[in-house]
Amino acid sequence: SYVLTQPPSVSVAPGRTASITCGGTNLGAKSVHWYQQKAGQAPLLVIYYDRDRPSGIPERFSGSKSGNTATLIINRVEAGDEADYYCQVWDNTSDRLVFGGGTKLTVL
Amino acid sequence: QVQLRESGPGLLKPSETLSLTCTVSGGSISTYSYWSWVRQPPGKGLEWIGYIYYSGSTNYSPSLRSRVTISMDTFKRQFSLSLASVTAADTGVYYCARGSRDLDLWGRGTLVAVSS
Repeated sequence: SYVLTQPPSVSVAPGRTASITCGGTNLGAKSVHWYQQKAGQAPLLVIYYDRDRPSGIPERFSGSKSGNTATLIINRVEAGDEADYYCQVWDNTSDRLVFGGGTKLTVL
Repeated sequence: QVQLRESGPGLLKPSETLSLTCTVSGGSISTYSYWSWVRQPPGKGLEWIGYIYYSGSTNYSPSLRSRVTISMDTFKRQFSLSLASVTAADTGVYYCARGSRDLDLWGRGTLVAVSS
């Protein structure tokens, strides 16, 4: 089955830039979506189709992809950005939706 | 604006069937074609369960396919999840969401516990 690999945790100081990676086989051929999940809340789509931002998501959030690694970038990190972040793809081979294991972003 | 809300029993015994309903308000359930279910065990990550297309066709996670049924009632603006023969491993928060490839709108989630 298809696997997406994320670092378990990332720490960043306020005002700095956070980068959260997501790796997977042949990821370049798939569309990557990113979700933010704050404690006790439902996930929120923050990036879709690799780099597009839904309405209402701050411009500080951006996505990129190179080879088999996708990256969620959060500029000028704020305390309110502390959350778990999940990447997600649709795997055509197995015909199913796959989430990464999630990355806990800690704002120091 | 469209909102989703899950409802259903919060406590089940092993071997029972989990039944949850997601009510769509503020919009048509047929306008946006795909509707999904996702779950999250306590302290763990997200797991996709499956989706239903407005036409009624479905797609389920291979690991749950033998126990899962997702159905839709467009008149009531609801779609439902049925998971048979539950065990403690099925305990978690269950979310309904809009979409199939990317999930752009989520319900608040409902906690389901399986315990004897």
